[in-house]
Amino acid sequence: EIVLTQSPGTLSLSPGERATLSCRASQSVSSSYLAWYQQKPGQAPRLLIYSASSRATGIPDRFSGSGSGTDFTLTISRLEPEDFAVYYCQQYGSSPYTFGQGTKLEIK
Amino acid sequence: QLQLQESGPGLVKPSETLSLTCTVSGGSISSSSHYWGWFRQPPGKGLEWIGSIYYSGNTYYNPSLKSRVTISVDTSKNQFSLKLSSVTAADTAVYYCARRPSYYGWFDPWGQGTLVTVSS
Repeated sequence: EIVLTQSPGTLSLSPGERATLSCRASQSVSSSYLAWYQQKPGQAPRLLIYSASSRATGIPDRFSGSGSGTDFTLTISRLEPEDFAVYYCQQYGSSPYTFGQGTKLEIK
Repeated sequence: QLQLQESGPGLVKPSETLSLTCTVSGGSISSSSHYWGWFRQPPGKGLEWIGSIYYSGNTYYNPSLKSRVTISVDTSKNQFSLKLSSVTAADTAVYYCARRPSYYGWFDPWGQGTLVTVSS
């Protein structure tokens, strides 16, 4: 099973700033089969990025993903108030699908 | 627009079987292009994939839960279901259903989730 470790656990930033979230895998994720989700309190996860760098339908271009192998990054170029939430990475390169423990992005 | 909705008892007794149904609207569960999946999230914790099913009935389970999980599909009702047996307090969680493309493993959209509490 691939273990995903996200860092930092909590990121405190202000609107307008740039956010960089990291997801590290315990072994290489085949074909960059990695997704990122956003989850707000009381809501279901929302797909942001798939295949490491492809934005899902309707996702603003301030969200971008990069990386390959074992190291992946989600970048939010300029934070909007609605971006403060918990972010999860998920690998689907091998079964079982696994998620990181999440990064909480909070308003500073 | 495709929507998924979980339903089922919100309270289950220890050692009993948790049963949930996901109803798909705005699209067909018999799509050859998609699989359907179940997830759970204990209060204040992260996400766990439980398993996935194709409209033909083909299933994939998380090995950590495989001995207790059954996922089934009812194409006539456009629904798929989850059964988790011998539940304990550790199975208390919000349970979500979601859709994924057949050849990839990202999930979108998701249902709103339903909280299941295991308690006597």
